[in-house]
Amino acid sequence: QITLKESGPTLVKPTQTLTLTCTFSGFSLSTSGVGVGWIRQPPGKALEWLALIYWDDDKRYSPSLKSRLTITKDTSKNQVVLTMSNMDPVDTATYYCIHRGDNTGKVDHWGQGTLVTVSS
Amino acid sequence: QSVLTQPPSVSGAPGQRVTISCTGSSSNIGAGYDVHWYQQLPGTVPKLLIYGNSNRPSGVPDRFSGSKSGTSASLAITGLQAEDEADYYCQSYDSSLSGSGVFGSGTMVTVL
Repeated sequence: QITLKESGPTLVKPTQTLTLTCTFSGFSLSTSGVGVGWIRQPPGKALEWLALIYWDDDKRYSPSLKSRLTITKDTSKNQVVLTMSNMDPVDTATYYCIHRGDNTGKVDHWGQGTLVTVSS
Repeated sequence: QSVLTQPPSVSGAPGQRVTISCTGSSSNIGAGYDVHWYQQLPGTVPKLLIYGNSNRPSGVPDRFSGSKSGTSASLAITGLQAEDEADYYCQSYDSSLSGSGVFGSGTMVTVL
């Protein structure tokens, strides 16, 4: 059974850096084709793809946010970490950790999501 | 502004058929990337509904079907039920965006 769980601050101040950790189980990020990533959803708005890291350490970022994002993995700990710099109130959203299981590219598992509010 | 365009809303009476379009371009859907669909019931986490353009994961009713042609894809719901009232998102990848994933703008389905 695949599970993913997000952890990190629920409130950050403008200009601060957000660090979110995804701790997962039920699969290995060393398996060919597997990816773990992040998607966010501002309140009442659409889903937005942020970043994905693959089993071979290939990393893909949303170009519009690439300068602010860093995604890393720790395979031994079954964790993926996303950092987002220079946070702004418009970055207030629910952040989801996701599992991409194969080369079809589908997101077949989602974490429960964590709401991050950016406010002074 | 989403890379994939969906109608903001569609509605239908119970039992009717509704379709949701997802329009992309030559760098995403038209480039051969598969399209996947997700259902997000109110207040819940999105759930995979259709993958690889037209495949249903185990447990998804066959009332839901997907198709893809050229630079567009569509999701059809036949025999619309009250429990289908939700937001629906298409998703693919885009070669002009360094292979990043992309989502549609989302469509709210209302059962009249």
